[in-house]
Amino acid sequence: NAGVMQNPRHLVRRRGQEARLRCSPMKGHSHVYWYRQLPEEGLKFMVYLQKENIIDESGMPKERFSAEFPKEGPSILRIQQVVRGDSAAYFCASSPLTSGSDTQYFGPGTRLTVL
Amino acid sequence: RKEVEQDPGPFNVPEGATVAFNCTYSNSASQSFFWYRQDCRKEPKLLMSVYSSGNEDGRFTAQLNRASQYISLLIRDSKLSDSATYLCVVKGNDYKLSFGAGTTVTVRA
Repeated sequence: NAGVMQNPRHLVRRRGQEARLRCSPMKGHSHVYWYRQLPEEGLKFMVYLQKENIIDESGMPKERFSAEFPKEGPSILRIQQVVRGDSAAYFCASSPLTSGSDTQYFGPGTRLTVL
Repeated sequence: RKEVEQDPGPFNVPEGATVAFNCTYSNSASQSFFWYRQDCRKEPKLLMSVYSSGNEDGRFTAQLNRASQYISLLIRDSKLSDSATYLCVVKGNDYKLSFGAGTTVTVRA
């Protein structure tokens, strides 16, 4: 049973370009969460999605960031017009259900570097 | 004030030693508590859940003090492979995990 998959693992962009990060949840999981880890900081919740629905995007910056989880295919985190401060590790997690006890399983992350 | 605060360390201990560290959390309504392990900025992996009565998993013992809002982790008989960053994680009654910045432990031969 493959775990959570993310690609690319490393992404380099110049300021002003777009970054697209992909996450395929574990088989059987329909809930996806994105977290961002800045250098020397803990992971911070960004957004929670179910298929075709954004449930909670309270952790997402209001501008330039968007996320989707289409009916078919992976979840996408999109960052437009990247700036140096967007450089971070972006982790995706998935769970089968949402409840107080469900474990979230993390993917290997995408390390975004903005030049 | 951060939601979850941890002593960043590093804790540098010899093999076989015991090492312990805490974290504190600010939201008294938090309901679930965990320790995750993160190696070299790879993905966090669940080490153990933390229960009110305290719990043990092999060489690892976790304690929760709700009154003082802190969680502890103790590692006995440290192995070289225990070298990692240990993340204290707290969850309310929803799905959001709140992570501490981590405590770095280095076990030396």
